Amino acid sequence: AQKVTQAQTEISVVEKEDVTLDCVYETRDTTYYLFWYKQPPSGELVFLIRRNSFDEQNEISGRYSWNFQKSTSSFNFTITASQVVDSAVYFCALSERGAQKLVFGQGTRLTINP
Amino acid sequence: ETGVTQSPTHLIKTRGQQVTLRCSSQSGHNTVSWYQQALGQGPQFIFQYYREEENGRGNFPPRFSGLQFPNYSSELNVNALELDDSALYLCASSLEGTRFYGYTFGSGTRLTVV
Repeated sequence: AQKVTQAQTEISVVEKEDVTLDCVYETRDTTYYLFWYKQPPSGELVFLIRRNSFDEQNEISGRYSWNFQKSTSSFNFTITASQVVDSAVYFCALSERGAQKLVFGQGTRLTINP
Repeated sequence: ETGVTQSPTHLIKTRGQQVTLRCSSQSGHNTVSWYQQALGQGPQFIFQYYREEENGRGNFPPRFSGLQFPNYSSELNVNALELDDSALYLCASSLEGTRFYGYTFGSGTRLTVV
């Protein structure tokens, strides 16, 4: 069965601090895809990144970086030098190959205080 | 500006009534999925349509049904509304063969059942 766990329900930091959002997943499939989405107050889910299970290379995109470790089934997301505009709910999601659905974690509400 | 448009944005219905939610996908996006997001939770997969046929379903009862039209629009119908159906309903679309690159989500319809 597929499962995604985001143990951090809420995180609050001061602007310019670095923050890491944790994501742990479970799957029996050897081919799967991991995603991070951002949900601002307006409600839409904004796609941030996709990783497939064969690509463990970490990625950096501006102030965002992702650390994928198959050995610990984790796909963590770090924001460097956080900004108030980063405040949102962040979701980690998993999709097995051939599956039609995304399985989401519970989400982490991130608040960046000025 | 998102390529997926949902209507209405907000809706209040009475228990036992029926509701139809609408989604307009990006041109060419022949796959559409619907998700239910209860307050404080991650989105849950309802079902997916591909080329106007249901292509996968989550753990939702038959009173949740859908339609997809040739013009890339779709509908989610819910009969015999229950209080627990109160949630944000999200529509997501993707191109055939590219869904693993990330779906495009709409801003959702917030349904309140009283």
